[in-house]
Amino acid sequence: EAGVAQSPRYKIIEKRQSVAFWCNPISGHATLYWYQQILGQGPKLLIQFQNNGVVDDSQLPKDRFSAERLKGVDSTLKIQPAKLEDSAVYLCASSYGGLSNEQFFGPGTRLTVL
Amino acid sequence: GQSLEQPSEVTAVEGAIVQINCTYQTSGFYGLSWYQQHDGGAPTFLSYNALDGLEETGRFSSFLSRSDSYGYLLLQELQMKDSASYFCAVRDLNAGKSTFGDGTTLTVKP
Repeated sequence: EAGVAQSPRYKIIEKRQSVAFWCNPISGHATLYWYQQILGQGPKLLIQFQNNGVVDDSQLPKDRFSAERLKGVDSTLKIQPAKLEDSAVYLCASSYGGLSNEQFFGPGTRLTVL
Repeated sequence: GQSLEQPSEVTAVEGAIVQINCTYQTSGFYGLSWYQQHDGGAPTFLSYNALDGLEETGRFSSFLSRSDSYGYLLLQELQMKDSASYFCAVRDLNAGKSTFGDGTTLTVKP
């Protein structure tokens, strides 16, 4: 079974530029999550999709971040314009639900904003 | 809202047993999960507790006390490869959203 795919793996941009990340979840997983993980901290949920609907985006900085999951499969997360404090690893995860709601994480995109 | 507390660092020797505690505050608790993350890697699921008691999976066990808002991860027969960060995560009652703690860095020494 293929895992969660993310691209790119690394990205370096200057502040005020825009950037987009892509995620393809495990086939059949209805729930997709985007997390931001700053060095030394735990993953922080940015947005959660159930199929192509948003379940929670309470911690998404909506003035600069946007995300979509148009066909209920893959998803993109965009930052425009980027700030220095956006430097982090952006993790995508998916789950099929179930009792434990086990989340399967992709390798992440390491973003550096200069 | 939700908040979790876990120790920032733990050190132990190979072959030993270590316990990583997690206390949480939440408005709607559904379950407590544990994830392992090696440096530069992605978090991987270890265990989940929805009910009070101990869940055992090989060398790893996880415990939950809902009345105390407390859980722990127990790692036995420590190996060097267990050196990693360990995160507890509380699952919300309503939307299934999980909030992660800031992690405990475990260093296993020879």
